[in-house]
Amino acid sequence: NAGVTQTPKFQVLKTGQSMTLQCAQDMNHNSMYWYRQDPGMGLRLIYYSASEGTTDKGEVPNGYNVSRLNKREFSLRLESAAPSQTSVYFCASSPDVAGASYEQYFGPGTRLTVT
Amino acid sequence: AQSVAQPEDQVNVAEGNPLTVKCTYSVSGNPYLFWYVQYPNRGLQFLLKYITGDNLVKGSYGFEAEFNKSQTSFHLKKPSALVSDSALYFCAVRDIRYSSASKIIFGSGTRLSIRP
Repeated sequence: NAGVTQTPKFQVLKTGQSMTLQCAQDMNHNSMYWYRQDPGMGLRLIYYSASEGTTDKGEVPNGYNVSRLNKREFSLRLESAAPSQTSVYFCASSPDVAGASYEQYFGPGTRLTVT
Repeated sequence: AQSVAQPEDQVNVAEGNPLTVKCTYSVSGNPYLFWYVQYPNRGLQFLLKYITGDNLVKGSYGFEAEFNKSQTSFHLKKPSALVSDSALYFCAVRDIRYSSASKIIFGSGTRLSIRP
């Protein structure tokens, strides 16, 4: 049981390049989330998916797209990377069944640098 | 609007002493409150939560938190700090506007440093 996994762990991009961050969970959770973490700003929600086939914008969605490929996988795509997207990206999942406790489980993160 | 505040960027405590990391919240209705811990170069780990019931909530690694409705606070505590408790701690509140998912709002984090 690996929990939430993310690939890659590190990535350096040039401005304008594109890339996809991958996330998978093996806990059969319904909901999945993408956050970015910047110094002094806590975690900010980029996009989330309440269930397979649905996605919604979070607090800072501009410059990103997501895809909920199936119940396990939730990818984040940067179409044209900008230096402002330099950050650490975390994927998370939660069970979201009626009566569940709603805590989220986090992956190890992807450290992205855009030059 | 719902929000959570961590008024201290850093808390320094000597090993063996009690520690408190402060959190205050602002929500409509009943709050769902959480504490997470982040060790260097790692993702966040769930520590404990308050949904309803006893105001003193016990969690992982000997941590506990006290829910105080009148003061709208949810402070994290531990009776005797360990050097290994040094990490970044986040308070969070569930955003009840999103009933279809457990969207939560995180505080800005408090760095806890335990000196030997």
